[in-house]
Amino acid sequence: KAGVTQTPRYLIKTRGQQVTLSCSPISGHRSVSWYQQTPGQGLQFLFEYFSETQRNKGNFPGRFSGRQFSNSRSEMNVSTLELGDSALYLCASRLQAYNQDTQYFGPGTRLTVL
Amino acid sequence: DQQVKQNSPSLSVQEGRISILNCDYTNSMFDYFLWYKKYPAEGPTFLISISSIKDKNEDGRFTVFLNKSAKHLSLHIVPSQPGDSAVYFCAASAGANNLFFGTGTRLTVIP
Repeated sequence: KAGVTQTPRYLIKTRGQQVTLSCSPISGHRSVSWYQQTPGQGLQFLFEYFSETQRNKGNFPGRFSGRQFSNSRSEMNVSTLELGDSALYLCASRLQAYNQDTQYFGPGTRLTVL
Repeated sequence: DQQVKQNSPSLSVQEGRISILNCDYTNSMFDYFLWYKKYPAEGPTFLISISSIKDKNEDGRFTVFLNKSAKHLSLHIVPSQPGDSAVYFCAASAGANNLFFGTGTRLTVIP
């Protein structure tokens, strides 16, 4: 079974631009979560989507948004990019949204904002 | 505020010895804990988990211990192998909610 895939793997943008990242979950998984990883901060939760509905949201500004499609694929959008948005963005999928459903991570998208 | 803390950014261990990675948490509502391993240029890989109703879970060379009264968990790797060299993240969740991650500990196993 194929793992979680993320595209693109690397992105370079300038301040003020917007960016869209894509995540394809493991086949059959209905939940997709997004995380931001920066040095010294670990992984910070952005949001989780389940059956096309956002079920949980972390403490990030409204410039960060996402959506999920009927095939469970998810996109994350960041508008008006700031230098501090440079990070590794990881998505993770799980079968349902139960407590002990293990989250499986993709390789991430490395975003650099200049 | 960091609800899950890994206070040791790095750890070096000789091959064959035990590696002990530690993690502390502050939220008493956390009831499920996990360890992930991360190699460079890859996403985190699930390693082992433990529910709050247990105090120990073992999977091969990996054992996770949970001390709820101290709000502390640890991962033991015995024996350590060079291929175990990676960054290890502990994570916790409360109910079916999102995971809170620590900042990671870089383990280096010296051959």
